[in-house]
Amino acid sequence: GAVVSQHPSRVICKSGTSVKIECRSLDFQATTMFWYRQFPKKSLMLMATSNEGSKATYEQGVEKDKFLINHASLTLSTLTVTSAHPEDSSFYICSAREGYPVADTQYFGPGTRLTVL
Amino acid sequence: GENVEQHPSTLSVQEGDSAVIKCTYSDSASNYFPWYKQELGKRPQLIIDIRSNVGEKKDQRIAVTLNKTAKHFSLHITETQPEDSAVYFCAASRGRVSWGKLQFGAGTQVVVTP
Repeated sequence: GAVVSQHPSRVICKSGTSVKIECRSLDFQATTMFWYRQFPKKSLMLMATSNEGSKATYEQGVEKDKFLINHASLTLSTLTVTSAHPEDSSFYICSAREGYPVADTQYFGPGTRLTVL
Repeated sequence: GENVEQHPSTLSVQEGDSAVIKCTYSDSASNYFPWYKQELGKRPQLIIDIRSNVGEKKDQRIAVTLNKTAKHFSLHITETQPEDSAVYFCAASRGRVSWGKLQFGAGTQVVVTP
């Protein structure tokens, strides 16, 4: 299957700082990438949908100024958590979806564990 | 919007027995239904998927069935092994019209005891 990488795998930061997470599709072009947040023993909560060259579409209740998403190329999307606070601590996972004709399958990155002190 | 319900939330089975997880969805326009397996601290891994023009799909010990009329789909794992222990998520999507956005179920913790 297709491979999606995510960096960093783990980050600890101080409250008030910003953290950038990268998501890359390594062997395919991803027309769409998704960012999820997952709390312990919970399901994946979609935060936003990111299409290459377009502004991200955020889910209801997700602050777009807090979680900045950039999808500058067909293989890279970034999520920046701005002015992070302890309540932003979570497991963030990206996924990438191939374009037509294999338009449905999403491949997930390994996730980033963010801890805000 | 789409709502996906998944049952049971936990499932304990003896090694060698079968496991069945059931999901229902609300949006009749959904046409793609993947299943993901997630081990603790790891990424979700796609294990099988089915599209709305197919009623059943099988891959070795894993099978998925879809009933479009009733809007439910199920995952069947036969001859379970300890390595099948994980959290399993079902999902539903309207495909390209919604950019392939997935709505996930709440997950099922499967424990296979030797």
